[in-house]
Amino acid sequence: GESVGLHLPTLSVQEGDNSIINCAYSNSASDYFIWYKQESGKGPQFIIDIRSNMDKRQGQRVTVLLNKTVKHLSLQIAATQPGDSAVYFCAENSQNTGTASKLTFGTGTRLQVTL
Amino acid sequence: SQTIHQWPATLVQPVGSPLSLECTVEGTSNPNLYWYRQAAGRGLQLLFYSVGIGQISSEVPQNLSASRPQDRQFILSSKKLLLSDSGFYLCAWSVPSFGYTFGSGTRLTVV
Repeated sequence: GESVGLHLPTLSVQEGDNSIINCAYSNSASDYFIWYKQESGKGPQFIIDIRSNMDKRQGQRVTVLLNKTVKHLSLQIAATQPGDSAVYFCAENSQNTGTASKLTFGTGTRLQVTL
Repeated sequence: SQTIHQWPATLVQPVGSPLSLECTVEGTSNPNLYWYRQAAGRGLQLLFYSVGIGQISSEVPQNLSASRPQDRQFILSSKKLLLSDSGFYLCAWSVPSFGYTFGSGTRLTVV
């Protein structure tokens, strides 16, 4: 079945540096992708999304890049801060069942920001 | 604005006891509702989703059930908990073709 996976389970970055978290997806029919941030003991929080008709989208300090040719998604965080420490999940919307969107989540990458 | 409430935040239950977790959404009508489970250090597994009152779709066979008695209320239940039911349960809502908004989660420990 479709799957979303991550290349690195843990990423350590020095404060002030840029972070890049990568994600591979397997369903070429996926049309919508989302990055979530999850802090310990909390629910995932939406960071940024991108649709398949785009290859780049920018938010505040974050950028998502989509490469449909190789089915690769990345999240870039500029000037990483201690508050960015969390687990980051990518998710793809590959199934629309009636009116329900069903997201498939990757296993997550833990971002550790060192001082 | 839309908000999602999930309770309780933590729960410790003995094996064989019943379970009821509740989730409510405010500020939107006819949302899609979801229950996910997250094992420690793992990703999110979709358990149930609902596109309307009384409409429940189950993703994986398990010891749990879900109900949607009202438009903005989603309940996760079990008649008899198993040790393997322990985990972090997350409720979420969405509108079609957009991402989910998650609740704060319930940490369930079955002992």
